[in-house]
Amino acid sequence: GAVVSQHPSRVICKSGTSVKIECRSLDFQATTMFWYRQFPKKSLMLMATSNEGSKATYEQGVEKDKFLINHASLTLSTLTVTSAHPEDSSFYICSAIGTSYEQYFGPGTRLTVT
Amino acid sequence: AQSVTQPDIHITVSEGASLELRCNYSYGATPYLFWYVQSPGQGLQLLLKYFSGDTLVQGIKGFEAEFKRSQSSFNLRKPSVHWSDAAEYFCAVGPSGSARQLTFGSGTQLTVLP
Repeated sequence: GAVVSQHPSRVICKSGTSVKIECRSLDFQATTMFWYRQFPKKSLMLMATSNEGSKATYEQGVEKDKFLINHASLTLSTLTVTSAHPEDSSFYICSAIGTSYEQYFGPGTRLTVT
Repeated sequence: AQSVTQPDIHITVSEGASLELRCNYSYGATPYLFWYVQSPGQGLQLLLKYFSGDTLVQGIKGFEAEFKRSQSSFNLRKPSVHWSDAAEYFCAVGPSGSARQLTFGSGTQLTVLP
């Protein structure tokens, strides 16, 4: 149980376009989902906290207009990178919390902006 | 503010040897402590967690960790390393009773020699 999926696993997009990443909790209802960004050889940086049915809470320094987060249901959150640029290339990981005191992580999405 | 320090960026051990990965934390109250493992290009898998009670916790894949409040440490150990243990290991701390707002250490890359 407690499986979190992400789609796509890899995406390549052209500079200036937008790309959407989905995060789903497959076998539990996630009241809260988190979006992280991970640079090569670096730790996870929390970007935002997403609560179902309400606006996401962004960490300091994260542009909310660039990284749009929607948590429309208890099993789905999406991250849209708008007007992507090469510096947005990174590994994006989501996680979800159900009723237990534990975050379950998705497998990550590798974004490459050319 | 809470913080996590993993002083060893990279550790190399021979297969069958014992392993200890260090983790020190700074937190004002009783922390909730985690160890995660990440294989290349993958998300994070929870190895073990400490919430309360016995300070020596057992996890998956033969790992264990000991919470030492006096030293603000939560070191990860394994008596005999397998080649499949090669991965990146992250220590994380969160507020007591919650898996929200996890703060991750910078990670330790483990290489296992045959």
